[in-house]
Amino acid sequence: DTGVSQDPRHKITKRGQNVTFRCDPISEHNRLYWYRQTLGQGPEFLTYFQNEAQLEKSRLLSDRFSAERPKGSFSTLEIQRTEQGDSAMYLCASSLPNKNTGELFFGEGSRLTVL
Amino acid sequence: GENVEQHPSTLSVQEGDSAVIKCTYSDSASNYFPWYKQELGKRPQLIIDIRSNVGEKKDQRIAVTLNKTAKHFSLHITETQPEDSAVYFCAASVSGSARQLTFGSGTQLTVLP
Repeated sequence: DTGVSQDPRHKITKRGQNVTFRCDPISEHNRLYWYRQTLGQGPEFLTYFQNEAQLEKSRLLSDRFSAERPKGSFSTLEIQRTEQGDSAMYLCASSLPNKNTGELFFGEGSRLTVL
Repeated sequence: GENVEQHPSTLSVQEGDSAVIKCTYSDSASNYFPWYKQELGKRPQLIIDIRSNVGEKKDQRIAVTLNKTAKHFSLHITETQPEDSAVYFCAASVSGSARQLTFGSGTQLTVLP
């Protein structure tokens, strides 16, 4: 499968712990996005990278959240001092910089449960 | 910022009937409107999109219409099949691309055999 891959698929943690998620985009895609999805809601934008540069961050991304894409390939999303409200599905997506298409290719997500 | 409202939240139709899902958006600068389908436990996948210079777009059994004046757009699925059962999300963007997408809250479509 050459699609977007995310790891881990599920993470259960205790409140106050740190967690890190990894995303490997489709290899030729230079744009990478992180979204958060809670039950019964659509994906909410968190942040966006073009190559290694983080170009946009949502106000949802508090200072406990940090994302990196050090070499312009894979990306990590770290949540420090997790809270129960952080429980959600974290979706990664990638896309090509083609103005004629806006298609996002999503991974299957990393589900976080904070106890 | 952009706000996208989606209705209905659930929709049940008989196999072979048509289904219509409607979305409204708030930012008149939005110019790109994709629709994503998410099957249970799977990733969202793009099924069709439309840009603000077009009023309607069709792809086999799926069509999307856009009314810029009223700031609403709709997904139409004809001759529904059980495999159309999924959650459908509309979205809007001011960038003309996948950047800055704001998603609706989703519609659970169930096609009854």
